[in-house]
Amino acid sequence: KNEVEQSPQNLTAQEGEFITINCSYSVGISALHWLQQHPGGGIVSLFMLSSGKKKHGRLIATINIQEKHSSLHITASHPRDSAVYICAVRQGSGGGADGLTFGKGTHLIIQP
Amino acid sequence: DGGITQSPKYLFRKEGQNVTLSCEQNLNHDAMYWYRQDPGQGLRLIYYSQIVNDFQKGDIAEGYSVSREKKESFPLTVTSAQKNPTAFYLCASRRDGGLDSPLHFGNGTRLTVT
Repeated sequence: KNEVEQSPQNLTAQEGEFITINCSYSVGISALHWLQQHPGGGIVSLFMLSSGKKKHGRLIATINIQEKHSSLHITASHPRDSAVYICAVRQGSGGGADGLTFGKGTHLIIQP
Repeated sequence: DGGITQSPKYLFRKEGQNVTLSCEQNLNHDAMYWYRQDPGQGLRLIYYSQIVNDFQKGDIAEGYSVSREKKESFPLTVTSAQKNPTAFYLCASRRDGGLDSPLHFGNGTRLTVT
């Protein structure tokens, strides 16, 4: 089973700072998801990527398949970005029935 | 607006009682999933269903049961056999069982058993 490691576990930053959250995995994958879990508990899918880079507003996700590593960047961070960010990887075969192995999440707090 | 509704948001039960968590979706999705989330751990799959009247065990199915009598509904029962039922439970759905379509999540139910 794939091992998914996220770093840092917790991150506190000031409004406006550039944020980077990292995700590393142990076995080759076919796709990687970045999810955002709001303080109330609901989860929203931010990105699904299998190569290169995707951008949506102030969020940028990159993946390096050879290095088995992905990063999620937030530019001009804002208190409303405070959430838990979860990385999940999909293997082409194996993995769970949903095809996903989840990281433990990075708890981000942006202070005004 | 389409989405997934989980109810209730908070649920309290005494040890030894069964409890059922509701999950309803109006996205016309075929596949539905139940996850458990514990502090400091990644989401873990309890049960999933790829089509009406069919469901399969996930990684941690012991002490849980489900039904899928309607496409829109996938209730989860936490039985008294579940040794550590206090957790946050998330329901999700996907257009089909294919792994390329994104998961849509509900807002979760926090279950506390004392």
